[in-house]
Amino acid sequence: SQKIEQNSEALNIQEGKTATLTCNYTNYSPAYLQWYRQDPGRGPVFLLLIRENEKEKRKERLKVTFDTTLKQSLFHITASQPADSATYLCALDGNRDDKIIFGKGTRLHILP
Amino acid sequence: GAGVSQTPSNKVTEKGKYVELRCDPISGHTALYWYRQSLGQGPEFLIYFQGTGAADDSGLPNDRFFAVRPEGSVSTLKIQRTERGDSAVYLCASSALGGKEQYFGPGTRLTVT
Repeated sequence: SQKIEQNSEALNIQEGKTATLTCNYTNYSPAYLQWYRQDPGRGPVFLLLIRENEKEKRKERLKVTFDTTLKQSLFHITASQPADSATYLCALDGNRDDKIIFGKGTRLHILP
Repeated sequence: GAGVSQTPSNKVTEKGKYVELRCDPISGHTALYWYRQSLGQGPEFLIYFQGTGAADDSGLPNDRFFAVRPEGSVSTLKIQRTERGDSAVYLCASSALGGKEQYFGPGTRLTVT
């Protein structure tokens, strides 16, 4: 069955450094992959989408890579700030339809 | 403009009771999704609508769960004979026609005692 794995432990990063989060998947051939941010008590907020034919996507301090051979996406936040502390969710389309499947998320703490 | 709204924000009910959770999507969004999220987990897909019809209901856990979207806008998730295991945050999201990014509401926290 389809499976998505994200860093299961919380990630602590010093302010100003680059935070890198990993999303691995198996038994999938997704057409695209998305990253969302979720703060406590709130719904997820869309950040970036990358398609299977794209290697890298950037938006301000965010960068996402997508390696369909390794079945992996990396999500980078450069010049991290305490306000970046949140849970980050990786999501892939399920069976190439409009439904998306989420990973468990990685809790990121940026330490001042 | 207004985002996705969900009511109630919190619902406490007794085991065996019936509950309805409401979602108001962003105006004009054709797709509407329901998810369930337990503590420490990502959102778990339940069902999604394109317009009025359920395009995929494969995530509904059993026949106690049902959702409707009669006019292609507001949706209601209905849970019959609630069980303690149904306790979770129920999230609703909508997306524009052809769009892949989903816009989420704040969720309804359901607690079954």
